[in-house]
Amino acid sequence: DTAVSQTPKYLVTQMGNDKSIKCEQNLGHDTMYWYKQDSKKFLKIMFSYNNKELIINETVPNRFSPKSPDKAHLNLHINSLELGDSAVYFCASSQGTAYGYTFGSGTRLTVV
Amino acid sequence: GENVEQHPSTLSVQEGDSAVIKCTYSDSASNYFPWYKQELGKRPQLIIDIRSNVGEKKDQRIAVTLNKTAKHFSLHITETQPEDSAVYFCAASKGTNAGKSTFGDGTTLTVKP
Repeated sequence: DTAVSQTPKYLVTQMGNDKSIKCEQNLGHDTMYWYKQDSKKFLKIMFSYNNKELIINETVPNRFSPKSPDKAHLNLHINSLELGDSAVYFCASSQGTAYGYTFGSGTRLTVV
Repeated sequence: GENVEQHPSTLSVQEGDSAVIKCTYSDSASNYFPWYKQELGKRPQLIIDIRSNVGEKKDQRIAVTLNKTAKHFSLHITETQPEDSAVYFCAASKGTNAGKSTFGDGTTLTVKP
């Protein structure tokens, strides 16, 4: 009964490929996020959805496309992967931003 | 937009000592300040938070203080233990559905036995 689950946990792929990461939360939260954590451990927001609507898109390349089919799911599709996309991607959810986030376990993406 | 600065970036203490991590924020409209702990290879987890109508909050060995006038808040860990070793992140948000939490760059805390 994991609260925020992400799949896959590890993803190794070649440059130029297209890949997707899936996220699901069973907490009933209305807001979901994608964060990127680079090798220096910095956490940078990529996208935020509130009740399936995109509310934040933080200057992320167009190759990244989020999709939220319902408020419990937020997926991330990445086209034409580049070496610089290698990072850990965390999905998170919260009830608005007045409460703390619950993070998923992360997806370690390695582009070779 | 909001900018959160966190210091120090690394902190090493002896077991049993106290540790203090400080953050400053730029947007006076921010009103919610959570702290997260991320152990090696794990997800960040919320450990304590404080809202702008409160000056201090304590939970066992950890406490957070907030100075709204100076726009800074701090995490205090007393009687540190080796299992406190982790990366700690502060964050600030406006607490609205149109907002987001802006994270500090993290502090790597090492507690030496």
